[in-house]
Amino acid sequence: SQQGEEDPQALSIQEGENATMNCSYKTSINNLQWYRQNSGRGLVHLILIRSNEREKHSGRLRVTLDTSKKSSSLLITASRAADTASYFCATETSGSRLTFGEGTQLTVNP
Amino acid sequence: DADVTQTPRNRITKTGKRIMLECSQTKGHDRMYWYRQDPGLGLRLIYYSFDVKDINKGEISDGYSVSRQAQAKFSLSLESAIPNQTALYFCATSDPSVSLSEQFFGPGTRLTVL
Repeated sequence: SQQGEEDPQALSIQEGENATMNCSYKTSINNLQWYRQNSGRGLVHLILIRSNEREKHSGRLRVTLDTSKKSSSLLITASRAADTASYFCATETSGSRLTFGEGTQLTVNP
Repeated sequence: DADVTQTPRNRITKTGKRIMLECSQTKGHDRMYWYRQDPGLGLRLIYYSFDVKDINKGEISDGYSVSRQAQAKFSLSLESAIPNQTALYFCATSDPSVSLSEQFFGPGTRLTVL
């Protein structure tokens, strides 16, 4: 079973708008990561947030983590057409193994 | 040049055939992983290896085997392919001493079993 569940499954917005994706998980984690996948290609790491952190920023990305609710969100600000991709959360529990969610398909319309 | 490469990139085969997917990396990472991706199911871990002498089963290892020939090479085999093994397969590497558990992915192999 998947550790992470992402919401929404698909999101369509206009260029310039913000995109928010959510991830929920079931067990205690060491850290949570977000990855991006362009259609049919390998995943690319975006950002990692440790279990003792609550918020992290990287460029136009903002990630929050609420361990009490076992949830995380990824915010992409001022979206661009090039941000169109699938976004996955992944949780590390122990042993450096990652468990991936099912992903959110983001479409940014020009 | 890509740091993590996979061969072949696409493969069509028939039920019952033996298939090997290969992964090579130039990142110098000890840890390597094989995942499969099915539509709507995200990535699932098949096998992983933390060094040349270490092999571990993942979430869905049945029907698969692996070989870690060297630090840089990690191969995935399907001894007798079946149609429900049709999927996109990814190899990944990591080096926790550098960047926690961030993983670096290859471009993927699209496998179709007829």
